[in-house]
Amino acid sequence: DTEVTQTPKHLVMGMTNKKSLKCEQHMGHRAMYWYKQKAKKPPELMFVYSYEKLSINESVPSRFSPECPNSSLLNLHLHALQPEDSALYLCASSQSPATGAPSYEQYFGPGTRLTVT
Amino acid sequence: KNQVEQSPQSLIILEGKNCTLQCNYTVSPFSNLRWYKQDTGRGPVSLTIMTFSENTKSNGRYTATLDADTKQSSLHITASQLSDSASYICVVSGGSNDYKLSFGAGTTVTVRA
Repeated sequence: DTEVTQTPKHLVMGMTNKKSLKCEQHMGHRAMYWYKQKAKKPPELMFVYSYEKLSINESVPSRFSPECPNSSLLNLHLHALQPEDSALYLCASSQSPATGAPSYEQYFGPGTRLTVT
Repeated sequence: KNQVEQSPQSLIILEGKNCTLQCNYTVSPFSNLRWYKQDTGRGPVSLTIMTFSENTKSNGRYTATLDADTKQSSLHITASQLSDSASYICVVSGGSNDYKLSFGAGTTVTVRA
C-alpha cells in the first residue's frame, strides 16, 4: 500500500471557524509533512514530523497547529484563518532521512482544497 | 541558495507527439532528483527518482535523464496521450537539510487531440 489519504477533499470555512485536516499512511513511514500549494505554484513546506516529533516549522503562523497522534496519522488544526490561506494543502510521508538511506521517496496525498470565506 | 529552474513554463503538443522538459538545479550537496506529475487540484505523483550515479530512468512512456556534472535533467514523454496533460515538477533533495525538497515551478503540458 503506497497510498497517503487525506480528508476532507474540500473544505469551506469562515474566518472564525475551527476545523482540522487529517492525513493517514500505512507504509511504516516515520516522516510526515504538511505543504501548502497556491495555484500554479510549487508546494511550500510548512511542517515536518519525524518519529512523531515536530522537526521543522517553516515559520508558519500559529493559526495553523500540527499534531501527530501516532506514526500513521497527521493532523492540521485550523483556527481564525484568513482568506489568503485558501490553497491546496498536501500531506506527504517518507522514510525518515535519519535512517541514512541514499534516497527516500516522498509520497503525496491527493490534498485538501481549502477555501476561507 | 538552492534553486531548481524548469523550462519551458508551458507547452502544447498534439496527441501522439513527443516532448522534452528541462530542469537545471544548483542544489548542493546533491542527494537525488525526482520528477513528479501533478494533475490540477491533485497531489503530485512520482514518475522517476534518480541518485547521483544514475543517468537515465524510465517509467513507461516517461524517460528521465540526469547529468550530475552539468546539474541538468530532462523528462522525455513519448507518444503523448490526452491523460499526460498535467504539470510536471522537477524536485531535488539534498542541500543543508534532507527533509527539505527544492521544487521547480513546473512545466504545464497540454496535450490536444
